[in-house]
Amino acid sequence: EVLLLESGGGLVQPGGSLRLSCAASGFTFSKYAMNWVRQAPGKGLEWVSGLVGSADDIHYADSVKGRFTISRDNSQNILYLDMSSLRAEDTAIYFCAKDGIFNNGVWDYLDSWGQGTLVIVSS
Amino acid sequence: EIVLAQSPGTLSLSPGERVTLSCRASQSVSSTYLAWYQQKPGQAPRLLIYAASSRATGIPDRFSGSGSGTDFTLTISRLEPEDFAVYYCQHYGRSPEMYTFGQGTKLEIK
Repeated sequence: EVLLLESGGGLVQPGGSLRLSCAASGFTFSKYAMNWVRQAPGKGLEWVSGLVGSADDIHYADSVKGRFTISRDNSQNILYLDMSSLRAEDTAIYFCAKDGIFNNGVWDYLDSWGQGTLVIVSS
Repeated sequence: EIVLAQSPGTLSLSPGERVTLSCRASQSVSSTYLAWYQQKPGQAPRLLIYAASSRATGIPDRFSGSGSGTDFTLTISRLEPEDFAVYYCQHYGRSPEMYTFGQGTKLEIK
């Protein structure tokens, strides 16, 4: 069974930084692209960032480019999202989501999701 | 940039009814790259349909997807109480490289 468990969310001041983690199990982590998708309170889904299994192809939404960094540790089966220069509009639940196709690039459907971790950016 | 418009915003229906949700793209997209997700309050999204009409693992056959070009639909043949949720369509793909979600359709009990 695929399990994705996010952690690291919390309350942070505008301009601050935070690191989110997503611990994965139940599949060959290094062979799947992984993504972060966020959902502001009461709003829809917004893709944030994704990277392939080897981490040599990385993509960001324009809204976070230059402020967020996605990475992964395939030896520990963990996906990360380093967030800096946080703004009020970054307040959201952040989900990690697994690519649905084995050993493929980014831009596939997302077949497994974690329960999310809440980030609140407020003074 | 591809924009997905879902309609209606909210639907009020009763268990047992049949429902069709719409997802319209601002430009033609390949049906290979269209997915549907279900999200219940306080839960993560769940993949229902990918490649416009392929059911994900474990999804009941009362859920079906269809469409091509700019118009896609998700049909639930007979609503069960657990189907009342928000449904999102998503375009994924390499031309252009991006993920786009529709704004969602809320299915509520009448």
